[in-house]
Order: sequence, then C-alpha cells, then structure tokens
Amino acid sequence: NAGVMQNPRHLVRRRGQEARLRCSPMKGHSHVYWYRQLPEEGLKFMVYLQKENIIDESGMPKERFSAEFPKEGPSILRIQQVVRGDSAAYFCASSFQGYEQYFGPGTRLTVT
Amino acid sequence: QQQVKQSPQSLIVQKGGISIINCAYENTAFDYFPWYQQFPGKGPALLIAIRPDVSEKKEGRFTISFNKSAKQFSLHIMDSQPGDSATYFCAASGHNFNKFYFGSGTKLNVKP
Repeated sequence: NAGVMQNPRHLVRRRGQEARLRCSPMKGHSHVYWYRQLPEEGLKFMVYLQKENIIDESGMPKERFSAEFPKEGPSILRIQQVVRGDSAAYFCASSFQGYEQYFGPGTRLTVT
Repeated sequence: QQQVKQSPQSLIVQKGGISIINCAYENTAFDYFPWYQQFPGKGPALLIAIRPDVSEKKEGRFTISFNKSAKQFSLHIMDSQPGDSATYFCAASGHNFNKFYFGSGTKLNVKP
C-alpha cells in the first residue's frame, strides 16, 4: 500500500529553466494539495485539485506557476522560467475526502 | 496576515516531561484542526486532529485541547521521548477543506 509519491526528490535548475514536479496520490485518493516550504518555515498552501479540476488556486503566484491533475497519471506542478526565489521544498498531499491529508516526501528544488 | 499563530518557536524538554505547543486562530469559520509531525528531510505526518464540537481529544501520549471561545488549541505530548524530537505544525481549515493554513512550526528537542 504505497503512500504518496513525489518525484524527483531533488531537482536542480538554472535560472530561466522549467521545473516539473510530479505527485502520485495514494490509491483511491482523488484530492491533491500542493504546498511550498522554505527552510525553517511552515507550509504555505498553493493549490487544491480534484481529478481534472482546480478547486482553489488562491495560493499560487499569478505568473509562471501552474498545476494540473489529469484523469490519468500524476498531478504536475509546473514552474516556468524559475528564479532563485523559487528554491524551496514542495510537498504534495493527497486525501480521500478532503480532510485527512497524507504528505509525500517532497521535492527539493534548487535554482542556481 | 498569518491565519494561524504558533508558539513557541522552539522547545527543549527532558525525557519523561510534558511538551506543550500552542496555536491561536482568528477565523471563526475554521472547523478542523490537525497537528503534524515532521522529521528532517521528510514530509509532515498527521498526528491527531480535532473538530470544535469537542474540547479535548487523546490518542496515546498525544492530546489536543481546544478552547473555542478563546480561539486557541494546543498539543500536549505526555512522557516525551527523544524519538519525539521533530518539528510540529498546527493547521486549520474550513468545513469545505479547500485550503489549509499552517502555523510556523515548533522545533521540539527532547533531552535524554
């Protein structure tokens, strides 16, 4: 019974490149949340998706960031034209009904 | 503004002692309050959660106390162990679970 899977675990990108972060929810879970965590800080909500729908993206920067959760396959968080300030740990969490969230191990993004 | 305020930022407790972490919120629409435990390099793990219709919930050595009128809730770790050394986050969400707000975290160090 695999938990939430995220890949890659570590990602290094140069400024201006694109970063794609993938999240496979737990089996049977159709709710996915993405969070960003800076060192020594709490998690900041970015976006909440259900299959094929964005429910709440109020925490997403208006530019360069996008997220999707297709009918088949993992959820993707996409960051275009990365800048140094995008360096952080990005966590996804999945849920069956929306309240008990199970987190993945995170993707550590470093922008050089 | 910060929706959930957490204190203290760090906490040192002797083995066998009680660890107490506090959180306060402003939004009276919040009605689900989970606590998460995070070890370095890992994703947060759900520890225990409470709804505002009860004032206390206990699971093993972990207890949440909830004060609806004061808009505060706290985590008590009884008989603290070195293995409990981690960062703890409180969080809050409304009834539709669209968005979770996290506290800034408390780094707990339990001395042997």
